[in-house]
Amino acid sequence: DQQVKQNSPSLSVQEGRISILNCDYTNSMFDYFLWYKKYPAEGPTFLISISSIKDKNEDGRFTVFLNKSAKHLSLHIVPSQPGDSAVYFCAASVTGGGNKLTFGTGTQLKVEL
Amino acid sequence: DAGITQSPRHKVTETGTPVTLRCHQTENHRYMYWYRQDPGHGLRLIHYSYGVKDTDKGEVSDGYSVSRSKTEDFLLTLESATSSQTSVYFCATSTGAKLASGNTIYFGEGSWLTVV
Repeated sequence: DQQVKQNSPSLSVQEGRISILNCDYTNSMFDYFLWYKKYPAEGPTFLISISSIKDKNEDGRFTVFLNKSAKHLSLHIVPSQPGDSAVYFCAASVTGGGNKLTFGTGTQLKVEL
Repeated sequence: DAGITQSPRHKVTETGTPVTLRCHQTENHRYMYWYRQDPGHGLRLIHYSYGVKDTDKGEVSDGYSVSRSKTEDFLLTLESATSSQTSVYFCATSTGAKLASGNTIYFGEGSWLTVV
């Protein structure tokens, strides 16, 4: 039972345009969400996070939106750059649960020139 | 960068042999984790530790054991490796007990294990 789902295995975007990566979750106990970026042969790198008490968090080119009623979050990257090409993982956590993360299956983003 | 070092980075082993992966951190973080990454599954939690000698099971703990005798080291042992344990293993540490308080989780660079 996949509690965190990333239904798009891949996404291709032109440089300078917006990239939108989506994530859905089923466990209503999740109250903290994170996005990680992963390059081949490297470990995941923390990108941005959001608490369930917020609906938006912004950090430079990256913005995460959370829709609790729909159990949906999205990561917006504007403008997209070739260096953003990587696999992006959505992860969710329950406060008080030891910071254990439940991950989605990832979305491969390719930013083309 | 949380000063996480995993060893070995690459290993090929035979079915039935024991294997130990080591995670070493230099930041004195209390929480440590072992995840595995497989195609179609993302990352899945194997075991985690919330302090020296305090460990607990994760989602996919069967066939694995862990030990944490020092804050800085978290060992993952495959008692008798099987081909289904061929995977990439990632160690992670948490900067604090509550993510919503500005803490986060950092990952090591991974250990590639092949069981033949």
